[in-house]
Amino acid sequence: GDSVTQMEGPVTLSEEAFLTINCTYTATGYPSLFWYVQYPGEGLQLLLKATKADDKGSNKGFEATYRKETTSFHLEKGSVQVSDSAVYFCALKSPGSSASKIIFGSGTRLSIRP
Amino acid sequence: NAGVTQTPKFQVLKTGQSMTLQCAQDMNHEYMSWYRQDPGMGLRLIHYSVGAGITDQGEVPNGYNVSRSTTEDFPLRLLSAAPSQTSVYFCASSRAGSSTGELFFGEGSRLTVL
Repeated sequence: GDSVTQMEGPVTLSEEAFLTINCTYTATGYPSLFWYVQYPGEGLQLLLKATKADDKGSNKGFEATYRKETTSFHLEKGSVQVSDSAVYFCALKSPGSSASKIIFGSGTRLSIRP
Repeated sequence: NAGVTQTPKFQVLKTGQSMTLQCAQDMNHEYMSWYRQDPGMGLRLIHYSVGAGITDQGEVPNGYNVSRSTTEDFPLRLLSAAPSQTSVYFCASSRAGSSTGELFFGEGSRLTVL
């Protein structure tokens, strides 16, 4: 079945460091891909998305490119801030499935040191 | 803007007790889902609904019941709680036909079963 694999955390970086969180997926066809973020004590919220191959999603300085050839959707940010400390989830929605059935990775906890 | 509201936020149960986690959304979304979040396992889909009167099972449905009598409400029932159901539960909603498939999450309900 469809699945998402993301790098295990926790990831600890200093402020202004470069961030990469790896995400690969297994799915038939062309799924939609997402990154969700969960700040402490809150529910998840959509960070960015891409719906077709070679699309780049971006938001709040974060970027991710849909790579069909490597089945990847890695999250990057050039200069992280303390406020970026959160848990990040990679997710996919299979083509033809409802939005009720989004599949999530295990999450990567990111901590940023001042 | 209320969005997705979950109650209670915290609950402690004894093994064998029953309870209902409430979820309500005010965005007129057709789709609603329940996920559980466990360390190292990300979010796993319990049950979902594509509209009033229609529900279906997700990845981990055993031990849980749902119903969807109105568009707004999607309660999750634990009939006989077990320690394995200790988790954080998230309700989510989304709009049918949304090209993005974006989910809107509640703040979560932390359940401990002793």
